[in-house]
Amino acid sequence: QQQVKQSPQSLIVQKGGISIINCAYENTAFDYFPWYQQFPGKGPALLIAIRPDVSEKKEGRFTISFNKSAKQFSLHIMDSQPGDSATYFCAASGASGTYKYIFGTGTRLKVLA
Amino acid sequence: DAGVIQSPRHEVTEMGQEVTLRCKPISGHDYLFWYRQTMMRGLELLIYFNNNVPIDDSGMPEDRFSAKMPNASFSTLKIQPSEPRDSAVYFCASILSGSSYNEQFFGPGTRLTVL
Repeated sequence: QQQVKQSPQSLIVQKGGISIINCAYENTAFDYFPWYQQFPGKGPALLIAIRPDVSEKKEGRFTISFNKSAKQFSLHIMDSQPGDSATYFCAASGASGTYKYIFGTGTRLKVLA
Repeated sequence: DAGVIQSPRHEVTEMGQEVTLRCKPISGHDYLFWYRQTMMRGLELLIYFNNNVPIDDSGMPEDRFSAKMPNASFSTLKIQPSEPRDSAVYFCASILSGSSYNEQFFGPGTRLTVL
């Protein structure tokens, strides 16, 4: 029940295209769903996050779509740029009133120039 | 604020040696997390503290690993004795509970190589 399943494992997109990464969770007690971006040699950094009371959140070219009934959420990167090439992790948090994150396995995104 | 600080950034040691990784969380943050990242297993939570008290150490792989947080501004992760399979990047992260967002702030990591 504590797992967060992330797909795909890797993704190659042309510059200007849309990158889509999907995650699914099981524990309905989760109440915070962040996406982290990690560049080589760096620590993960928060990109965007959503709570289950909204179905979508947009920040610039990055959008989270959230489907509470399906227990799924996804990250959409519009107009993907080579600078977006990184590893992306979804996570879920909040179950049992903790701040512990359950991370997905990560998606390595490469945007071709 | 300088963010989460980790030291050393790189550590190369030989099998059997003791390794100590250090972390300084963001000032005022009351939760601290230690993670290990490998290609095979991704980001694994090892242990986390709340107000310097260990809350969940179920992710610590075995007794060779230990972590302490003697005060609010310092934590260590120790491996004794180290083994080649411990080679990984170790991250420390901190969070301020009760904030609007549950954002964990990660340090730059320590890349450990055990020969």
